[in-house]
This record gives sequence, C-alpha cells and structure tokens, in this order.
Amino acid sequence: AQSVTQLDSQVPVFEEAPVELRCNYSSSVSVYLFWYVQYPNQGLQLLLKYLSGSTLVKGINGFEAEFNKSQTSFHLRKPSVHISDTAEYFCAVPNSNSGYALNFGKGTSLLVTP
Amino acid sequence: ETGVTQSPTHLIKTRGQQVTLRCSSQSGHNTVSWYQQALGQGPQFIFQYYREEENGRGNFPPRFSGLQFPNYSSELNVNALELDDSALYLCASSLGQGGVYTFGSGTRLTVV
Repeated sequence: AQSVTQLDSQVPVFEEAPVELRCNYSSSVSVYLFWYVQYPNQGLQLLLKYLSGSTLVKGINGFEAEFNKSQTSFHLRKPSVHISDTAEYFCAVPNSNSGYALNFGKGTSLLVTP
Repeated sequence: ETGVTQSPTHLIKTRGQQVTLRCSSQSGHNTVSWYQQALGQGPQFIFQYYREEENGRGNFPPRFSGLQFPNYSSELNVNALELDDSALYLCASSLGQGGVYTFGSGTRLTVV
C-alpha cells in the first residue's frame, strides 16, 4: 500500500523565517499527494494537493510544495511564517487497497515563535 | 454549501459501553471515511463507505462498525469500549473514491 513518511516530528522556527516540512512517499505507479493542517482542537484542513501536471503546487496561506519523483518527496515550504502557522501538518497519500482513503504520516508539529 | 458536520463534539463513556458517532457529509459527496486520531498521532483509517457499501477497512477490530445512509450521512459504532479507544474521531467526505476529502471537526471520545 502507498505510504508517506514525515521526517521531522517537530520543527521550531522564528517568525518571518522560511520553513520546510519534509515528506517522502513510497514509490507507486501513480501518485496523488496531499498536505493537511490541523490547528489545536480542530479537524483537518486541506492545504494543497498534487494530482498531476506542474510539480510545484501552491496552496492556501502562502504554502507551496514540490513533487519530486526522483527523490520520492513532496516537501512543504513557506518563505516567511507567521505565529498563526503554528499547527500540526500532515502529509497523506490515497491507498488503493482501501477505496483510496488516505494514509497519513505521523505529522510534523510546527512551532513559530517571535 | 455546508461542510462536514460531526456530532457530538465531545463525550465521555465508561469502559465496556457502546457509542455511536454521527457524520453528515458535505453536500453532493457520496463517500465517507472515518479516522481515529490518538493524542499526538496521525489519523488512522478505520473504514470507508461508498454509496452505502463498505469499500475499505483499516486494521481495526470488528467491534468498530459503521453505516452509511441513503442521504450519504454515516455512523460509527464502537462496542465494548476500551480505554485505548479514547481519541479524536474524524469523518471525511468526498465525491467518489479517490476524490479530495473534506474533514469534519471531529468527536473527542474519552473512555474512563
């Protein structure tokens, strides 16, 4: 089954600094990839998705991600973070063995401090 | 359009009891999936319903069961509750299998 690995459990960063959250996926014939954000005590909100086409995907709140087939990666980036970006970020991939429901990574906790 | 709504938002149950959680899918969506998110963990897939039929299941025991209704709303039932069932339960809906999933805010279940 398709799976993703998030390489960092916690990423501390200062406000207005750039950030990269790393995600690697298991190789497959075709890949759809997603990043979701979860603010404290809330559900998941879709940040961005890669379905096909351009490998650079832009999402909400100034985030973007690049699909890299040779490195099987889909890292999330933001050039300048805000305090309000403090949240849990999840990378996810559909599982063809489960009706294409999502397999999630363990999450990366982004902590933005002044 | 309305999003995915879940009820209740919080509940506390005693070990051994049974619980039913409810989910209303986003308008026009015919696929509903359920996830369990333990504290500090990523969501774990429980099962998915497509047009009222279960079409995928994760590694959860049979005491986790569900239903999808003709209006595509869904229920998650858990029997013989255990302490480890304490978690945030998330419902997500999409148009078709492999579509983009919209998540609800979840139900926080505490088993004591």
